[in-house]
Amino acid sequence: EIVLTQSPGTLSLSPGERATLSCRASQSVSSSYLAWYQQKPGQAPRLLIYGASSRATGIPDRFSGSGSGTDFTLTISRLEPEDFAVYYCHQYGSSPLTFGGGTKVEIK
Amino acid sequence: QVQLVESGGGVVQPGGSLRLSCAASGFTFSSYGMHWVRQAPGKGLEWVAFIRYDGSNKYYADSVKGRFTISRDNSKNTLYLQMNSLRAEDTAVYYCAKAPYGSGMGSYFDYWGQGTLVTVSS
Repeated sequence: EIVLTQSPGTLSLSPGERATLSCRASQSVSSSYLAWYQQKPGQAPRLLIYGASSRATGIPDRFSGSGSGTDFTLTISRLEPEDFAVYYCHQYGSSPLTFGGGTKVEIK
Repeated sequence: QVQLVESGGGVVQPGGSLRLSCAASGFTFSSYGMHWVRQAPGKGLEWVAFIRYDGSNKYYADSVKGRFTISRDNSKNTLYLQMNSLRAEDTAVYYCAKAPYGSGMGSYFDYWGQGTLVTVSS
């Protein structure tokens, strides 16, 4: 099983700042089958990024994904008020499908 | 637009059973694989099960294998999760989630339902 470790656990930033979230895998994620989701309190997760760097439909271009192998990054170029949420990475290259523990982006 | 609406959650005693449903609309349900994903209160996400577009292949997390059964009725555009021998650690919000293609289990989730809460407690 591929274990995904997200860091930091919590990121305290102000609107307009840049957010950099990390996801490290215990072994290589095949074909960059890595996705990112955003989850707000009381809501279902929403797909942001798939294939490590492809934005999902309707996702603003301030969200970008990068990385390969075992190291992946989600970057939010300038935080908007609606971006404060929990973010999860997810690998779908091998069974079982697994998620990271999440990074909470909170208002400083 | 794609809509996934779960139902069937509730409170059940340890060892009991429950069947969850997920009604799909806004896309050709019979062409896409479907997943169940759960989230324990205050915790992260855990993949539970996957079913191929035609129901011919099913995959499960080790934590539920032998106790849960995923199925679908393409004539009713509905996904199911039959949960037996429930344990306290199965307490979670259960989400159905759509795969972006029909067959491979290895997929991301492009649409999610709002979730249904299952509480296993005496």
